[in-house]
Amino acid sequence: GQNIDQPTEMTATEGAIVQINCTYQTSGFNGLFWYQQHAGEAPTFLSYNVLDGLEEKGRFSSFLSRSKGYSYLLLKELQMKDSASYLCAAPTSGTYKYIFGTGTRLKVLA
Amino acid sequence: NAGVMQNPRHLVRRRGQEARLRCSPMKGHSHVYWYRQLPEEGLKFMVYLQKENIIDESGMPKERFSAEFPKEGPSILRIQQVVRGDSAAYFCASSPGWDRGNTDTQYFGPGTRLTVL
Repeated sequence: GQNIDQPTEMTATEGAIVQINCTYQTSGFNGLFWYQQHAGEAPTFLSYNVLDGLEEKGRFSSFLSRSKGYSYLLLKELQMKDSASYLCAAPTSGTYKYIFGTGTRLKVLA
Repeated sequence: NAGVMQNPRHLVRRRGQEARLRCSPMKGHSHVYWYRQLPEEGLKFMVYLQKENIIDESGMPKERFSAEFPKEGPSILRIQQVVRGDSAAYFCASSPGWDRGNTDTQYFGPGTRLTVL
């Protein structure tokens, strides 16, 4: 089957570091995406991993382990504006049909 | 470079009416995808189109829903005889396609929030 799992909610404090995990099962593998979605807004692209390892982009980093079917998004120096849902998504064998997780709702507290 | 455009942003329909949702892809993108998002749920793939072609509509309900992406103009998602269960946010995404040697990342529009009374 094809499935993406991620925690429903997380809470963290401003200035802290938070790691949002994602496990996936897809038919074939064509990379893994992370999107940020603020309430009532469009998902915005954060990162794409196709090779194992850590990709760093400023305060956000994303990690992939293909052998474990696992990824995480690491957010450093949290800011209030980082309060949002974080969506893990993977294209299936057709390379275009993304399967999305239900999203992890992150609350950043002052 | 303008992003993906969708209109209307909010649409209210009574049961039995038709809803038409429009999506203009990002400049240079020839691939369009439609997703539905129910409250507190993830995005669900509905249909993938290229100009004048439906490539994959496996996520579309078999009845009342149709999509097109004509040679000229925006992509349209059409829902006939709407029911309350159709109330959701409908997002369109576009991508340049794999043939350009890139990751074919999908970029999303702001969505149309459909409310069926």
